Amino acid sequence: GENVEQHPSTLSVQEGDSAVIKCTYSDSASNYFPWYKQELGKGPQLIIDIRSNVGEKKDQRIAVTLNKTAKHFSLHITETQPEDSAVYFCAAVDTGTASKLTFGTGTRLQVTL
Amino acid sequence: GAVVSQHPSWVICKSGTSVKIECRSLDFQATTMFWYRQFPKQSLMLMATSNEGSKATYEQGVEKDKFLINHASLTLSTLTVTSAHPEDSSFYICSARDQGTGFYEQYFGPGTRLTVT
Repeated sequence: GENVEQHPSTLSVQEGDSAVIKCTYSDSASNYFPWYKQELGKGPQLIIDIRSNVGEKKDQRIAVTLNKTAKHFSLHITETQPEDSAVYFCAAVDTGTASKLTFGTGTRLQVTL
Repeated sequence: GAVVSQHPSWVICKSGTSVKIECRSLDFQATTMFWYRQFPKQSLMLMATSNEGSKATYEQGVEKDKFLINHASLTLSTLTVTSAHPEDSSFYICSARDQGTGFYEQYFGPGTRLTVT
């Protein structure tokens, strides 16, 4: 089955700096890679996703890159703000055969003033 | 769009009683819903996949007789924790796939905090 590793487990950045979270996956058949943001006591919120036929996707301050050859994908947050503080989860799935997402272990991002 | 609700948001029950949690997709149809459990500072653990009109598929190690799942309509799935015990205390989260997009987007509910005393 799929295995997703996520690093770092915690990340502290100053407001305005950039934050990068990296994930690697094991199943080369995986073709959909969403990122979720989870605030304390709330459910995960889909913030951006990327499909395997695309190398990069951007939405305002958030971008995701995918390297299929190396089987890794990354979340980039620029100009971080205190409200970006949360736990971020990456995930992967082979939409052709699997019905469930495999999640990374999460990254706790702290944006300090 | 793509809103998933859960009810209740938190519940406290006594050991031995049963608790039902509802998961609804408010603005889209979801033939597939998922139930997760999350312990503090941990990732989401998939418990079962709920398919409308058929039996749920449980992950290894999850007791199907203890965690009853019913997906009776395209917008509603329920999880019943039967004979709850303190070790069942956790954060339960559902998610739903938006079939209308034709791809795989999955949206999560706000979660239900269960405390068993």
